Amino acid sequence: SQKIEQNSEALNIQEGKTATLTCNYTNYSPAYLQWYRQDPGRGPVFLLLIRENEKEKRKERLKVTFDTTLKQSLFHITASQPADSATYLCAPSDSNYQLIWGAGTKLIIKP
Amino acid sequence: DVKVTQSSRYLVKRTGEKVFLECVQDMDHENMFWYRQDPGLGLRLIYFSYDVKMKEKGDIPEGYSVSREKKERFSLILESASTNQTSMYLCASSGKRDRGLAVFSRTDTQYFGPGTRLTVL
Repeated sequence: SQKIEQNSEALNIQEGKTATLTCNYTNYSPAYLQWYRQDPGRGPVFLLLIRENEKEKRKERLKVTFDTTLKQSLFHITASQPADSATYLCAPSDSNYQLIWGAGTKLIIKP
Repeated sequence: DVKVTQSSRYLVKRTGEKVFLECVQDMDHENMFWYRQDPGLGLRLIYFSYDVKMKEKGDIPEGYSVSREKKERFSLILESASTNQTSMYLCASSGKRDRGLAVFSRTDTQYFGPGTRLTVL
């Protein structure tokens, strides 16, 4: 069955450094992949979408890569700030273009 | 500004009660979803709807039903609440579907409500 893996342990990063989060998927080839941010007690908020034919996508301090050979997406936040602390969810599409959700990685940016 | 609202932020119910969770979106989206979110697990799809009066089962529909009588409103019903239905419930909506093609467009992003934390005692 289709499976999405994100680091289950929290990621602690010093303010100003680059945070890198990993999303691995198995048993399928998504047409696109989305990243969302979720704050405690809130619904997820869309950040970025990357298509299967795109290697990299950027938005301000955010960068997403999509490696269909490795079946992996990396999500980078450069010049990280304490306000970036949240849980980040990876959501590749399935064959019907519906999203399949990872459990998320909690990111903590320390001042 | 896109907005999805849910009827309650917190809800406490007793085992066996019938529970209604309501979701309203103001973006004229065609697709609406109900998920539940539990610690350590990804969002799990309960039901979705791609049109008024249309519904499709997701991955975990057992013990739930839904209703979509109007385009902007999607209700989740727990017919007889049980303790294992204690969870965070999230509603989402997404945009137009490609007419004549798949139900969902390739680039649909989902807009979420704030969630309802349901506790069943």
